Amino acid sequence: EAQVTQNPRYLITVTGKKLTVTCSQNMNHEYMSWYRQDPGLGLRQIYYSMNVEVTDKGDVPEGYKVSRKEKRNFPLILESPSPNQTSLYFCASSSRGRDTEAFFGQGTRLTVV
Amino acid sequence: EDQVTQSPEALRLQEGESSSLNCSYTVSGLRGLFWYRQDPGKGPEFLFTLYSAGEEKEKERLKATLTKKESFLHITAPKPEDSATYLCAVPTSGTYKYIFGTGTRLKVLA
Repeated sequence: EAQVTQNPRYLITVTGKKLTVTCSQNMNHEYMSWYRQDPGLGLRQIYYSMNVEVTDKGDVPEGYKVSRKEKRNFPLILESPSPNQTSLYFCASSSRGRDTEAFFGQGTRLTVV
Repeated sequence: EDQVTQSPEALRLQEGESSSLNCSYTVSGLRGLFWYRQDPGKGPEFLFTLYSAGEEKEKERLKATLTKKESFLHITAPKPEDSATYLCAVPTSGTYKYIFGTGTRLKVLA
């Protein structure tokens, strides 16, 4: 089954404690991206990757890092989380980047206290 | 600046009461406009892509249309299972970034 898998689904952490949210897709897609979703602000893109070792900033990259060492994986790293990073996070993948629809993961609800 | 605006923010319909959702966009050289459906607590699910003004696509009770300034998602004779948030998105000019509208929350009452 074609899917995008994120882990964990839920995470509560404390300010400053480094964390990683994993994302994996099994569709051999070139394009992967991370979004955060906040009430009233909608989905905002954090980072995206066009292919292995190629990443670029979205609209809200501050406080986040990403890496793309393998085509199927695109982890999101918060080196020093802060309460304003409390949000619902989605990973997505698609083929050929901007020309095709995105497949989204189930979401990771992160709370930073 | 590239922008996507959706209206209304929320919409309540009786079962069978048809209506339309709007997605207005400002982007240079549109390379596609995407519609997604999102159920509470889940990731968005793809519905349609429209590429040029005048294009229309249909799926069950949904029909999406596109002009040079906006897109409409028409819902004909909706059912309670159509209740969800509907999102539109466009790729931005000259980059590989996507911007999403804030969505329309649709509630269909039985």
